[in-house]
Amino acid sequence: EAGVAQSPRYKIIEKRQSVAFWCNPISGHATLYWYQQILGQGPKLLIQFQNNGVVDDSQLPKDRFSAERLKGVDSTLKIQPAKLEDSAVYLCASSLGGRKAFFGQGTRLTVV
Amino acid sequence: LAKTTQPISMDSYEGQEVNITCSHNNIATNDYITWYQQFPSQGPRFIIQGYKTKVTNEVASLFIPADRKSSTLSLPRVSLSDTAVYYCLAGSGAGSYQLTFGKGTKLSVIP
Repeated sequence: EAGVAQSPRYKIIEKRQSVAFWCNPISGHATLYWYQQILGQGPKLLIQFQNNGVVDDSQLPKDRFSAERLKGVDSTLKIQPAKLEDSAVYLCASSLGGRKAFFGQGTRLTVV
Repeated sequence: LAKTTQPISMDSYEGQEVNITCSHNNIATNDYITWYQQFPSQGPRFIIQGYKTKVTNEVASLFIPADRKSSTLSLPRVSLSDTAVYYCLAGSGAGSYQLTFGKGTKLSVIP
């Protein structure tokens, strides 16, 4: 079974630039999560989708972050403009709707 | 969502059994306890989940007492490859489950 695919694996940008991350969940998984994980901390939920509707985006900094899930499948997370404190690993996960989620390998973002 | 508390770090020698305890005093009636494992440079991986008493799979066992205010993840005969961060989650959510991670327990297995 194919896992959760994320791209790119690594990205280095300058502050105030924009960046986008892509996630392809496991086929048939209705729930999709985006997490931000800063070094040494646990993953922090940014946004949760159920099909193409948003379930929870309470911790998404909406002045600079945006996310969408087209047709209830692939998803993109965008940061515009980036700040130094956005340097982190961005993880995408999907599930059938239960507590067993499958995570991608993440995108490591460095903002300089 | 129930707040969880677990030790920041633990050390263990290879071959020993490791028990990581998680406290969730305000767990709700319909909350389940779920554990994830995370290796460096990888996303978290589901290990085990339970509601009460004991659950065992090929990786670990999960012990939950009757009051459900705590739970213990047990890893039998750990090896160096079990060095990772272990997260305890307690919650359910309605419809689509919320997965809220805390700081986790960093387990270091020593040869």
